Amino acid sequence: QVQLVESGGGVVQPGGSLRLSCAASGFTFSSYAMHWVRQAPGKGLQWVAAMSYDTSHKYYAESVKGRFTISRDNSKNMLYLQMNSLRVEDTAVYHCAKDPASVGQEVILYNWFDPWGQGTLVTVSS
Amino acid sequence: EIVMTQSPATLSVSPGERATLACRASQSVSSKLTWYQQKPGQAPRLLIYAASTRATGIPARFSGSGSGTEFTLTISSLQSEDFAVYYCQQHNAWPLTFGGGTKVEIK
Repeated sequence: QVQLVESGGGVVQPGGSLRLSCAASGFTFSSYAMHWVRQAPGKGLQWVAAMSYDTSHKYYAESVKGRFTISRDNSKNMLYLQMNSLRVEDTAVYHCAKDPASVGQEVILYNWFDPWGQGTLVTVSS
Repeated sequence: EIVMTQSPATLSVSPGERATLACRASQSVSSKLTWYQQKPGQAPRLLIYAASTRATGIPARFSGSGSGTEFTLTISSLQSEDFAVYYCQQHNAWPLTFGGGTKVEIK
């Protein structure tokens, strides 16, 4: 079955950097668009970034644009989120999620999420 | 940015009763509206996409309706496993945005 496992979270000081990873299995990773979505402790959901299956299209939330970079290595079935200049308000559980759009379809991204990984906690604190 | 507003924030329902959750968009999202269920300590789970299409494996007691700016998620007869937080999300425009959630609790 489809499995998404995030890693790389931890505690970092404001202004610091962190790289999150998402290991995908159970599907042809290289054929599907992917997203990062975060959830601050006790709060709601916020979409962070998206990438098409072939890396040709990338999209970011305004709050992370210029600080975060989404990338993928299709040869390793891995999705990444490089986070720089971290702020206290970036504290959250970060989930990777699969988009139903795949190679050969008429849309690059459908922009809903199924399934989600369990997430990795990023805490930005001094 | 399209603002998604869910109501009520908390819904108290007895098992076996019907639950109706509302989601409103600040501008039209056509039928590009998704619903998720999240239980404590778990990742969200896709329930409904394109406003009214049930995801694979989702029981028929879950149904979605609406278009434009007004949407509804209905759970026809609440089971114990349905007590959770439900989120709507628009997938019509960037940035993708979620509602604040409706917590369905046992009455």
